Amino acid sequence: QVQLVQSGAEVKKPGASVKVSCKASGYTFTGYYMHWVRQAPGQGLEWMGWINPNSGGTNYAQKFQGWVTMTRDTSISTAYMELSRLRSDDTAVYYCARKGPQYSSSVYFDYWGQGTLVTVSS
Amino acid sequence: EIVMTQSPATLSVSPGERATLSCRASQSVSSNLAWYQQKPGQAPRLLIYGASTRATGIPARFSGSGSGTEFTLTISSLQSEDFAVYYCQQYNNWPLFGQGTKVEIK
Repeated sequence: QVQLVQSGAEVKKPGASVKVSCKASGYTFTGYYMHWVRQAPGQGLEWMGWINPNSGGTNYAQKFQGWVTMTRDTSISTAYMELSRLRSDDTAVYYCARKGPQYSSSVYFDYWGQGTLVTVSS
Repeated sequence: EIVMTQSPATLSVSPGERATLSCRASQSVSSNLAWYQQKPGQAPRLLIYGASTRATGIPARFSGSGSGTEFTLTISSLQSEDFAVYYCQQYNNWPLFGQGTKVEIK
């Protein structure tokens, strides 16, 4: 069965960087785009961007351009999201989410990781 | 820029009753709309895509309708496990979520 397993919670100081991992199993990792979505405490869902695990190509939401980097390691079926220059309002749960349809432009998410809480505090 | 607005913010419903949730887009998103359910401490779960197609394993009591700018998620007879927050998401262009509707026990 499809599983996305993320790395554990992180506590960071303002100005630091954080790198969250998302290990995929149960499907061909390079066959589906991986997206990242975050959720601040008590708030809604905010899309951050995607990575094509096959080519390594990326596309980031305008808000995150210049301070998020998405990468992947196909040898271990793992996607990464690194956020730099952290601020207190980056405190959130960060999710990886698989784009549902493989050969379609439709971007909805059929499988999600369990989430990684990143706390930014001095 | 598209804005997604969900209403109501909170819906109080008794078990066994019907729940109707609304999602409005500020401009047409065709049928490029999905619905998710999120329970406390859990990741969102895909319910509906293409405005009206149930995802794999989703019970028939969940149904979606609408196109263009007006969408509805209906839960025909609420079960105890259905009390949660529901989000709509358009994918006509970059993914964008509504702010959510909390369905609580009346």
